Amino acid sequence: SSELTQDPAVSVALGQTVRITCQGDSLRSYYASWYQQKPGQAPVLVIYGKNNRPSGIPDRFSGSSSGNTASLTITGAQAEDEADYYCNSRDSSGNHLRVFGGGTKLTVL
Amino acid sequence: EVQLVQSGAEVKKPGATVKISCKVSGYTFTDYYMHWVQQAPGKGLEWMGLVDPEDGETIYAEKFQGRVTITADTSTDTAYMELSSLRSEDTAVYYCATESLYYYGSGERVYYFDYWGQGTLVTVSS
Repeated sequence: SSELTQDPAVSVALGQTVRITCQGDSLRSYYASWYQQKPGQAPVLVIYGKNNRPSGIPDRFSGSSSGNTASLTITGAQAEDEADYYCNSRDSSGNHLRVFGGGTKLTVL
Repeated sequence: EVQLVQSGAEVKKPGATVKISCKVSGYTFTDYYMHWVQQAPGKGLEWMGLVDPEDGETIYAEKFQGRVTITADTSTDTAYMELSSLRSEDTAVYYCATESLYYYGSGERVYYFDYWGQGTLVTVSS
């Protein structure tokens, strides 16, 4: 089955821009979705596909994709954005599996 | 309002079986796949499998194949995840999540989990 690779940790200064990336072969066939998870809470969908944002998600969150890499960008990071971020996509091997990246812990300095 | 409400925390002994429920409301249960996700303490999200509530078809991750059974009861709009032969490594929070599919005009698509349950903690300890 496919794997999705994320950097384990990223930091950003308050108000600055940060990009979190996700790499994997399945991303050549299917777009990624991105989830924010804060301690003790269920994950929350923040971005899906090319750059779709669910209602209620601030527009400082955006997504992009190129080749085997998907990216989540936070423009003007806020303290409340400090969380774990996970990417997910459908497996491209034809067996309909889903796969999560290992997660990126975002620290807002 | 869409809601996924999971059953309460469980404590099980090694070798036992646990069955967690996820009752949905606010949408047509059979319209969307239901997935289950495991999160061990301090670890990331791991996809376990899915059920199509319309016909009961299931797909499981290799890691859990043979130990996990996911079902859907359309009479009560409830999905279940049963995990057998429990071991300490199964101590985790388990989430149910609905999946939607978005098609772009070009034929490209994205699958995404738009609604999640609150999570159920399963502790496996002797």
